[in-house]
Amino acid sequence: EVQLLESGGGLVQPGGSLRLSCAASGFTFSSYAMSWVRQAPGKGLEWVSAISGSGGSTYYADSVKGRFTISRDNSKNTLYLQMNSLRAEDTAVYYCAKDLPTVTTRTDAFDIWGQGTMVTVSS
Amino acid sequence: IQLTQSPSSLSASVGDRVTITCRASQGISSYLAWYQQKPGKAPKLLIYAASTLQSGVPSRFSGSGSGTDFTLTISSLQPEDFATYYCQQLNSYPFTFGGGTKVEIK
Repeated sequence: EVQLLESGGGLVQPGGSLRLSCAASGFTFSSYAMSWVRQAPGKGLEWVSAISGSGGSTYYADSVKGRFTISRDNSKNTLYLQMNSLRAEDTAVYYCAKDLPTVTTRTDAFDIWGQGTMVTVSS
Repeated sequence: IQLTQSPSSLSASVGDRVTITCRASQGISSYLAWYQQKPGKAPKLLIYAASTLQSGVPSRFSGSGSGTDFTLTISSLQPEDFATYYCQQLNSYPFTFGGGTKVEIK
């Protein structure tokens, strides 16, 4: 069964750091680009960051550029999001999501999502 | 690229035909996906490439459009369809989402 399982969320003070993990199973992890998407309480979805299958290319939303770093360890089938200089507005459920298989290298959609991990930034 | 969904919410009855629109601030070809999200759950992919139904999704869901204007149609609303729907553009980074449309029971 294809599965994504996030972990690492919690309560952190403004200015603090946190690292999220997303453990993948049931598919060839290194073959797929992966993304992080977040959802603030009661709000809509916000794409945060993406990384290519090899890890050689990374992309970020303007709201997190310079503060967050996406990475992956294909030997461990795990995706990461290092979050530094956290702000109250970073409070959200963070989902990892897998690219839909396609015949090209483009991302067409996210077909598998994790259950999410909650990050709360508050003093 | 900004995506504007309308309406932001709607009330409908079981059996109704429901249409949700998504407008992009610039052309995105057909690089648009639709997701359904229920409270406390992760989003579920319904449609990708503007009109391709994801495997396992009921055929009452359909998508159309290209360029800047897109629609998601539910041909006959079922009780399990009451949820929030989001469009997402994947033409270029950052991959933005629309603001969502909440479909409620009338």
